[in-house]
Amino acid sequence: DAKTTQPPSMDCAEGRAANLPCNHSTISGNEYVYWYRQIHSQGPQYIIHGLKNNETNEMASLIITEDRKSSTLILPHATLRDTAVYYCIVRGYGGSQGNLIFGKGTKLSVKP
Amino acid sequence: EAQVTQNPRYLITVTGKKLTVTCSQNMNHEYMSWYRQDPGLGLRQIYYSMNVEVTDKGDVPEGYKVSRKEKRNFPLILESPSPNQTSLYFCASSLSAGRMNTEAFFGQGTRLTVV
Repeated sequence: DAKTTQPPSMDCAEGRAANLPCNHSTISGNEYVYWYRQIHSQGPQYIIHGLKNNETNEMASLIITEDRKSSTLILPHATLRDTAVYYCIVRGYGGSQGNLIFGKGTKLSVKP
Repeated sequence: EAQVTQNPRYLITVTGKKLTVTCSQNMNHEYMSWYRQDPGLGLRQIYYSMNVEVTDKGDVPEGYKVSRKEKRNFPLILESPSPNQTSLYFCASSLSAGRMNTEAFFGQGTRLTVV
């Protein structure tokens, strides 16, 4: 089972920041938080991942709380092309712990 | 260009007729896996492979077989397809499941219909 909880859907106005929350209260010390998104029926696309420090790349920022029990993915200036299902995944390493187990994700709708 | 290639993209077949969906990656990745995606059930892992000749069951392996004879290829075999295997299938690869900083790359998907 997925180890994360996300809201099923969110709306965001085009040009505004989209903040997608994720709860992972049972995360263990060696597990990373990964974010992927799936646009329509395309293959999921990697966005960002982190362990405990905040991370930023050209696509997004990831804010992880100090206790690591929750995180927020931030798309700083959402566009219509960011409309997708966003998956927050907790992933370990080694054997089956390295598998990506997808939950239901958050369906983000970016509106003009 | 780094990519995971699945073939075919679309397939309609009849119950019981063996089929193979191919998956190939050009990134020298050790780890590969197969998922199926169904409405309301999300993405579920079928099989995964940690390396050549090393495969293991995921969450929904019934009715599927895989093989990993070479690093780049990981075909999904349906020996006797049934209508409940109608689904959207994705292949994925990553450098290694044994390392932390490894992103997964996904194929474009194969939409299979079994009638």
